[in-house]
Amino acid sequence: QKEVEQDPGPLSVPEGAIVSLNCTYSNSAFQYFMWYRQYSRKGPELLMYTYSSGNKEDGRFTAQVDKSSKYISLFIRDSQPSDSATYLCAMSYSGGTSYGKLTFGQGTILTVHP
Amino acid sequence: DSGVTQTPKHLITATGQRVTLRCSPRSGDLSVYWYQQSLDQGLQFLIQYYNGEERAKGNILERFSAQQFPDLHSELNLSSLELGDSALYFCASSVGGLPSGNTIYFGEGSWLTVV
Repeated sequence: QKEVEQDPGPLSVPEGAIVSLNCTYSNSAFQYFMWYRQYSRKGPELLMYTYSSGNKEDGRFTAQVDKSSKYISLFIRDSQPSDSATYLCAMSYSGGTSYGKLTFGQGTILTVHP
Repeated sequence: DSGVTQTPKHLITATGQRVTLRCSPRSGDLSVYWYQQSLDQGLQFLIQYYNGEERAKGNILERFSAQQFPDLHSELNLSSLELGDSALYFCASSVGGLPSGNTIYFGEGSWLTVV
């Protein structure tokens, strides 16, 4: 079983829809949670960063972390065709030999059609 | 443009060969990370260097090695290449190491094809 599970999709939505992307994880030591966006053949770009549980909003993006359920979400409001990309969740924890390591989900392919 | 520069962008080589991938981090960033992305394994952490010293190690094969030089650029050496090593190799950098909250910036990647 992978430490981080993410539904690969693909997910196709009409422009303007609310998109919900999710990841579950098994390692309770994870404390830092991130969402990256990756366009085809490009490097991942950090969208959201959250420490521990709670919500964080940035423009059309909202990240939620529920550590008790080991579940994180990214919501995209008013989705645009330019949001079409692969979305990767990532997690990390402090200390020990894993310092600096991000553990990624498989990524969800999102297409927003006009 | 993230400011992280990777060369070469594309590389085709034969099995058994050795290649070197190069990374220049963003100006001022002390940490360099190497990740491998393949279709079946996703994005996997290989190794991290901080100011010239190895800081963390992931599932990096013994055939692979890396180093960070005094000018902070880094090289990833892949030897005795196998077909399964074909992947996109990313370098990333940050000011410090995790989990200080520093943003990690990824380069555009080096696409390696082993034939």
